[in-house]
Amino acid sequence: GAGVSQSPRYKVAKRGQDVALRCDPISGHVSLFWYQQALGQGPEFLTYFQNEAQLDKSGLPSDRFFAERPEGSVSTLKIQRTQQEDSAVYLCASSPPGTRTDTQYFGPGTRLTVL
Amino acid sequence: DAKTTQPTSMDCAEGRAANLPCNHSTISGNEYVYWYRQIHSQGPQYIIHGLKNNETNEMASLIITEDRKSSTLILPHATLRDTAVYYCIVRVSNDYKLSFGAGTTVTVRA
Repeated sequence: GAGVSQSPRYKVAKRGQDVALRCDPISGHVSLFWYQQALGQGPEFLTYFQNEAQLDKSGLPSDRFFAERPEGSVSTLKIQRTQQEDSAVYLCASSPPGTRTDTQYFGPGTRLTVL
Repeated sequence: DAKTTQPTSMDCAEGRAANLPCNHSTISGNEYVYWYRQIHSQGPQYIIHGLKNNETNEMASLIITEDRKSSTLILPHATLRDTAVYYCIVRVSNDYKLSFGAGTTVTVRA
């Protein structure tokens, strides 16, 4: 079956531009996560959805970052007025219904480069 | 504060067992030990997890010491495709977040 997919795989933006990154989770997965991975570091948690509800957005680095999942499936991470420090790989993960220790399945990520 | 400590890097020979250590001396009784790996240009991939007993699956074995302060991930027959960054994570059962550290860069050499 299909895994988590993300698009685009690569995005180059000029400083100040807005970008939107898409995540298609595995069908039927209730939980969806976004992580940010800077070069040479491990992924860091950004936000968590259960169905369409955003239950935790404590990891979003600033109010320029916004995530949504309006119908409880596809999610979009939007970054407004991009800055150079936003350059990173943005990873999406989903997990099936069940306990919170369920495995998270990751997509390949979107590499964002802000010039 | 880092909950786990792993070596920065290690090499291993193709076909041999790879033993990846992880220290988690402050682990709590309700925290599980998880291992993920990340192959270059891919997202992290779940390998295995355990609470106190040793665990084995088709990918690896997880050995947790009796005091639970450290663990070892064993890849029984390393292949070139096992070259990746391996992350050891401790996580409470009701926590949805994964807190990755820097991990161990494992290079399998022919």
